[in-house]
Amino acid sequence: QKEVEQDPGPLSVPEGAIVSLNCTYSNSAFQYFMWYRQYSRKGPELLMYTYSSGNKEDGRFTAQVDKSSKYISLFIRDSQPSDSATYLCAMRRGSTLGRLYFGRGTQLTVWP
Amino acid sequence: DAGVTQSPTHLIKTRGQQVTLRCSPKSGHDTVSWYQQALGQGPQFIFQYYEEEERQRGNFPDRFSGHQFPNYSSELNVNALLLGDSALYLCASSLEITAGNEQFFGPGTRLTVL
Repeated sequence: QKEVEQDPGPLSVPEGAIVSLNCTYSNSAFQYFMWYRQYSRKGPELLMYTYSSGNKEDGRFTAQVDKSSKYISLFIRDSQPSDSATYLCAMRRGSTLGRLYFGRGTQLTVWP
Repeated sequence: DAGVTQSPTHLIKTRGQQVTLRCSPKSGHDTVSWYQQALGQGPQFIFQYYEEEERQRGNFPDRFSGHQFPNYSSELNVNALLLGDSALYLCASSLEITAGNEQFFGPGTRLTVL
């Protein structure tokens, strides 16, 4: 079993839809949780960063972490064609050693 | 403010050759991590450098080695290239002293092994 599981999709939605992306994990030592956006053939771009459980909102993006269920989510409101990309979840332990564990990414297409 | 930069952008090598990839961290960052991303997969951690020393390593063979320089830039070396080494190689930088150690990625170097 991989430490981080993420459905690769693809996911295709119309412009304006609410998108829900999620990951599950098995290691209870993970304390920092991230979402990265990666456009085709580019490097990942940090979107959201949360510590421990709870919600965090930034514009149209909301990240949720449920450590009791080992489940994290990213919601995108009013989705735009420019949101079309691969979304990677990532997480790491609480020590200063910064190894990130990634899901395989979910490919999202928002069509006009 | 310059972000993370990597060179070269693309590279084509043949099996058995050696390759060196380079990374300059974001201004003010002192820690560099390297990841390998195969097509359709998430990045896999190779190793991390801090204070010019490798302090954490993922499940990669000794053919993968690295170096960090006093100016915090870093190199990734891969010897005896295999076809399976074809991937996007990503460098990420962070600042050790910050509690969150957010990692910021460069654009990557796409390596093709023929």
